[in-house]
Amino acid sequence: SQQGEEDPQALSIQEGENATMNCSYKTSINNLQWYRQNSGRGLVHLILIRSNEREKHSGRLRVTLDTSKKSSSLLITASRAADTASYFCATDQDNAGNMLTFGGGTRLMVKP
Amino acid sequence: DAGVIQSPRHEVTEMGQEVTLRCKPISGHNSLFWYRQTMMRGLELLIYFNNNVPIDDSGMPEDRFSAKMPNASFSTLKIQPSEPRDSAVYFCASSLALSDSYSNQPQHFGDGTRLSIL
Repeated sequence: SQQGEEDPQALSIQEGENATMNCSYKTSINNLQWYRQNSGRGLVHLILIRSNEREKHSGRLRVTLDTSKKSSSLLITASRAADTASYFCATDQDNAGNMLTFGGGTRLMVKP
Repeated sequence: DAGVIQSPRHEVTEMGQEVTLRCKPISGHNSLFWYRQTMMRGLELLIYFNNNVPIDDSGMPEDRFSAKMPNASFSTLKIQPSEPRDSAVYFCASSLALSDSYSNQPQHFGDGTRLSIL
């Protein structure tokens, strides 16, 4: 079974709007990562948040982590058409080395 | 810097044939992962290596699948014999694993091999 589950599965917004994607997971983690995948390409790492962090920023990206609720969110502000992609959360698991378990992803479409 | 390099990018072959997918990880990375991505099942971890040693192959679907990492700069995933249900995009990823798992680094993905078994 998947460790991370993204919500929503698909999201369509207008350019300039903010996009929020959520991820829930089941077991304790050391860190949670977000990745982006453009059509026909491999996944690209966006941001990593550790279990002792609650919020992290990188450019137009803001990630939050609530370990008590086992959930994370990715916010993309002032979206652009080029942000159109699938976004995945990935969790490691305590004592599982550096294996990651990926969720099913959110397909984001940003309309110009 | 060169990223993870996979070959071929596309492979179309008939069922029953042997398929070999290749991966060159990022220099200096000590962990290598093989994933399979399909619409139905999403991204699945097949096997991962640490320092060229297979650590977890529980995701390998069946004995038709095998993976090797003869040195730090090369890995192969082989399917023999191939079946239509093996059609998917296969990704290789590498990362730097530290002794402290809390400090592990992100994974870097290649652009995948799109495999079609007819």
